[in-house]
Amino acid sequence: GAVVSQHPSWVICKSGTSVKIECRSLDFQATTMFWYRQFPKQSLMLMATSNEGSKATYEQGVEKDKFLINHASLTLSTLTVTSAHPEDSSFYICSARDGRAGRDEQFFGPGTRLTVL
Amino acid sequence: GESVGLHLPTLSVQEGDNSIINCAYSNSASDYFIWYKQESGKGPQFIIDIRSNMDKRQGQRVTVLLNKTVKHLSLQIAATQPGDSAVYFCAENLALDTGRRALTFGSGTRLQVQP
Repeated sequence: GAVVSQHPSWVICKSGTSVKIECRSLDFQATTMFWYRQFPKQSLMLMATSNEGSKATYEQGVEKDKFLINHASLTLSTLTVTSAHPEDSSFYICSARDGRAGRDEQFFGPGTRLTVL
Repeated sequence: GESVGLHLPTLSVQEGDNSIINCAYSNSASDYFIWYKQESGKGPQFIIDIRSNMDKRQGQRVTVLLNKTVKHLSLQIAATQPGDSAVYFCAENLALDTGRRALTFGSGTRLQVQP
């Protein structure tokens, strides 16, 4: 099956620093990647949709200048949390949609645990 | 706003019993539904999906039922095993105006399997 990886799997940083999270589709090309955030004991909330070669579309309430998304290739999307604060501590999960026609399934990465001190 | 929600936050069953996890959705325009399993500290794992033109779909030990009349979705797990213990999410897929398909997740049900 399709595999999506994330790096790093966990990161601890100081308040005010920036953190970059990578999402890669390993064996398929992903025309669209999605970034979700999950707080403890809560559901996944869509943050933004990333299309290869174009600007990301952010959900209401998600600051685009704080959560920078770059989808430079069909296999890589990055999420950069700029000037991170403790309230940004969360589990960040990406998913990738198989770009082949007729396929709707999203494949999820293993998630990245961000802790901001 | 429209959302996908769950009736039971926690379900405890005995090993070997059948489990039923329920989900209600409110957007009648949704045309694709998915059940995911999420273990602690991991990403969601696809279990089974169903399209709106179907009312039942079976997989290995799992069955998804869709009742469009009452906007209800359920996941049935036969002969529940300890390895089935996890949080289960239903998700609905909406076709957005740009052709993207983003998932809206329900609040989740924790399944605890007692040995």
